[in-house]
Amino acid sequence: TQLLEQSPQFLSIQEGENLTVYCNSSSVFSSLQWYRQEPGEGPVLLVTVVTGGEVKKLKRLTFQFGDARKDSSLHITAAQPGDTGLYLCAGTYNAGNMLTFGGGTRLMVKP
Amino acid sequence: DTGVSQDPRHKITKRGQNVTFRCDPISEHNRLYWYRQTLGQGPEFLTYFQNEAQLEKSRLLSDRFSAERPKGSFSTLEIQRTEQGDSAMYLCARTVLSSTDTQYFGPGTRLTVL
Repeated sequence: TQLLEQSPQFLSIQEGENLTVYCNSSSVFSSLQWYRQEPGEGPVLLVTVVTGGEVKKLKRLTFQFGDARKDSSLHITAAQPGDTGLYLCAGTYNAGNMLTFGGGTRLMVKP
Repeated sequence: DTGVSQDPRHKITKRGQNVTFRCDPISEHNRLYWYRQTLGQGPEFLTYFQNEAQLEKSRLLSDRFSAERPKGSFSTLEIQRTEQGDSAMYLCARTVLSSTDTQYFGPGTRLTVL
């Protein structure tokens, strides 16, 4: 069974703080995606990483793919209340196949 | 806009009834995926199609579940004899030809079985 562990499960911080969410697996990913999901809506894609060691930035969000392509992290700088939501990592173990999701990190940013 | 629409957005039904959900991706000839997400969990894979061919099914897809993609465009997911445990968000996703690694999700159908 291929599992994807995401941590922490919950995170409550003050506006302006930094945070990091982790996504780990014992298996090698073909690719990994990060999504953000609002209540009652589908996940919205933030980024796809495919190369070991890859770093991608999206405004205040920085995504890193581990060298061995078994882990990833999402770092948010100077969090804002608008960043509140459920962050999901999801990996594919074969190109074009199903996504295996982590359990999600529920982030709350207080003003 | 992710290029995926789902209908209905919400469905409330009584235990034992049949329900059908529809997913419309913006373009044909791509892969289409179904996932199920229960409260507080990440989505779980159910099945996927390449054009009209159903290529893989999860063990979560019991005999009461059936999915079709008759013309390689829209897809339907039917649940027969619904049970309270079927209550979940049902998500549909598509890929694009230029990047089969990335999946774009629709808004989902929230099913509540009473």
